[in-house]
Amino acid sequence: DTAVSQTPKYLVTQMGNDKSIKCEQNLGHDTMYWYKQDSKKFLKIMFSYNNKELIINETVPNRFSPKSPDKAHLNLHINSLELGDSAVYFCASSPTHSGAYEQYFGPGTRLTVT
Amino acid sequence: DAKTTQPNSMESNEEEPVHLPCNHSTISGTDYIHWYRQLPSQGPEYVIHGLTSNVNNRMASLAIAEDRKSSTLILHRATLRDAAVYYCILRPTSGTYKYIFGTGTRLKVLA
Repeated sequence: DTAVSQTPKYLVTQMGNDKSIKCEQNLGHDTMYWYKQDSKKFLKIMFSYNNKELIINETVPNRFSPKSPDKAHLNLHINSLELGDSAVYFCASSPTHSGAYEQYFGPGTRLTVT
Repeated sequence: DAKTTQPNSMESNEEEPVHLPCNHSTISGTDYIHWYRQLPSQGPEYVIHGLTSNVNNRMASLAIAEDRKSSTLILHRATLRDAAVYYCILRPTSGTYKYIFGTGTRLKVLA
């Protein structure tokens, strides 16, 4: 039983296309996150939702739009993909947004923009 | 935002204890200290976290300095499967939630 799952695992697409990455957690957590890990392996938070409400929105181009249809899902839609968007994207969840609780990460989606 | 500093890499022999240090001199009173590790081609995995007192779980122990400006993750007996990048991050209990993962420490375990 996968706790945090992401689809697809790999995504290869051309510049200018629009794509979505889906994330689902079956842990009953209230808070979900999207992280980006670039080629230098830096892991940076992009967004966080708590009970479907956006609570973190880092300096991310507005081509990136998260959508949370319910507490168990947080999808990431990317418009007009650019070469610099190539990275591994991780979804995560935690019981609440408090630092008193740990985060659980998904396996990642490797996005390659050509 | 509070930052952490870790050595870039460390080596350990298999079945020996490993002490991974982390400095967080700008930690605030409400910041929890979290440790995660990332094995090659996998997502980060939770290891342990604590606020003030030392913590133990089945994976590791966390020793927190009295002034909380540093902490040490202790793997009691390193195995080859423990080879990973270990990240120390601070997560506040409230306020802005800018979780900053540093470069982490790449742990190499020698057979």
